[in-house]
Amino acid sequence: QQQVKQSPQSLIVQKGGISIINCAYENTAFDYFPWYQQFPGKGPALLIAIRPDVSEKKEGRFTISFNKSAKQFSLHIMDSQPGDSATYFCAARRSQGNLIFGKGTKLSVKP
Amino acid sequence: DTGVSQDPRHKITKRGQNVTFRCDPISEHNRLYWYRQTLGQGPEFLTYFQNEAQLEKSRLLSDRFSAERPKGSFSTLEIQRTEQGDSAMYLCASSTEVGWLAGVGETQYFGPGTRLLVL
Repeated sequence: QQQVKQSPQSLIVQKGGISIINCAYENTAFDYFPWYQQFPGKGPALLIAIRPDVSEKKEGRFTISFNKSAKQFSLHIMDSQPGDSATYFCAARRSQGNLIFGKGTKLSVKP
Repeated sequence: DTGVSQDPRHKITKRGQNVTFRCDPISEHNRLYWYRQTLGQGPEFLTYFQNEAQLEKSRLLSDRFSAERPKGSFSTLEIQRTEQGDSAMYLCASSTEVGWLAGVGETQYFGPGTRLLVL
């Protein structure tokens, strides 16, 4: 059973455009929702994160929108750049501490 | 602060051999996690330590897998009698609950991973 569903699987965006990645979760006990960015051959790096008592969080060009009632959250990347081309993972934290990851979205930003 | 380090970065072994990986967390991080990532998938949780205590093990962690964190600092993950299905990237992450207690959230910092190929 996949507890965190992520879409789309891949995304192509023009430079300067907005990239949007969506995630849905099932377990209402999740208490922390981070997004990670991963480049080939590297470990995931935290991009931005949100707690469920907040509906939106913005850091630079990256914004998380969180809808607790719908059990959905999304990542928006404004003014997407070729350097943003990477795989993005949403995740949800279990109360015991480990993260449950989505399957990832491969983002390609075309110049 | 050099971040989370893992050694080796790459390992090629033959089926049936034993392998051991090492993770050095960020200093003063008392929590340490092991995850496994296969191609095209997100990381999957394997096991978790708080200080030297192993608090949780995933059902993915078969009896061929063992992890230790003897002094609450570095950790090792050993796979005995490797199988081709064990081929994956093994990731280590560390964190501290200080951020969580402060209401910020528990950031898990990942290492670069050890890529294992079992022939």
